[in-house]
Amino acid sequence: QSALTQPASVSGSPGQSITISCTGTSSDVGSYNLVSWYQQHPGKAPKFMIYEGSKRPSGVSNRFSGSKSGNTASLTISGLQAEDEADYYCCSYAGSTKGWVFGGGTKLTVL
Amino acid sequence: EVQLLESGGGLVQPGGSLRLSCAASGFTFGSYAMSWVRQAPGEGLEWVSAISGSGGNTYYADSVKGRFTISRDNSKNTLYLQMNSLRAEDTAVYYCARECRLASTTVGFDYWGQGTLVTVSS
Repeated sequence: QSALTQPASVSGSPGQSITISCTGTSSDVGSYNLVSWYQQHPGKAPKFMIYEGSKRPSGVSNRFSGSKSGNTASLTISGLQAEDEADYYCCSYAGSTKGWVFGGGTKLTVL
Repeated sequence: EVQLLESGGGLVQPGGSLRLSCAASGFTFGSYAMSWVRQAPGEGLEWVSAISGSGGNTYYADSVKGRFTISRDNSKNTLYLQMNSLRAEDTAVYYCARECRLASTTVGFDYWGQGTLVTVSS
């Protein structure tokens, strides 16, 4: 059982927007502004998409955005494209004793 | 170009040991903290261990504490994970990942290797 809770799957049509939620606790998501998001295509390594809840690393499309409210973080992908079909994972710092915790992942299907 | 290349995975019996390596290039290795993250077949990501740039500070997930040891050789630009007392539940692809630090705070993992598969089975 993963520390952070994500929906197992979401889907959307090309051009639409989708949002993936990531629910933690007051010991991780709620305590630190250190939520990051990763995209993983089948058989590939994860890719760094969002950090500090809402910031994009250089080179990441501005179609990807993040937010956080309380113990829940969210990733929104706008203008869905076929290449966005992948698994998405949230991650949060959980303190010096627990380190980093991940969500169980969400499979995005572009219809 | 930042590159991370893991090696050392394979099939090992329960109770056995294995040492993973991660060869880094394209950046000043000793300036970055590094982590190992694993992914069991068909499952999600799990952070395993981290080490500071100097190697002086190490951190472990409860699931591996006392069995795994992370280390690094900055002269060889290489990260290691010594895994002892391996269990079936340690079966996973193991990734090394560079920690992205901003203003002395790790904000995530910005570069990942392609992973090496560890299978624990009799």
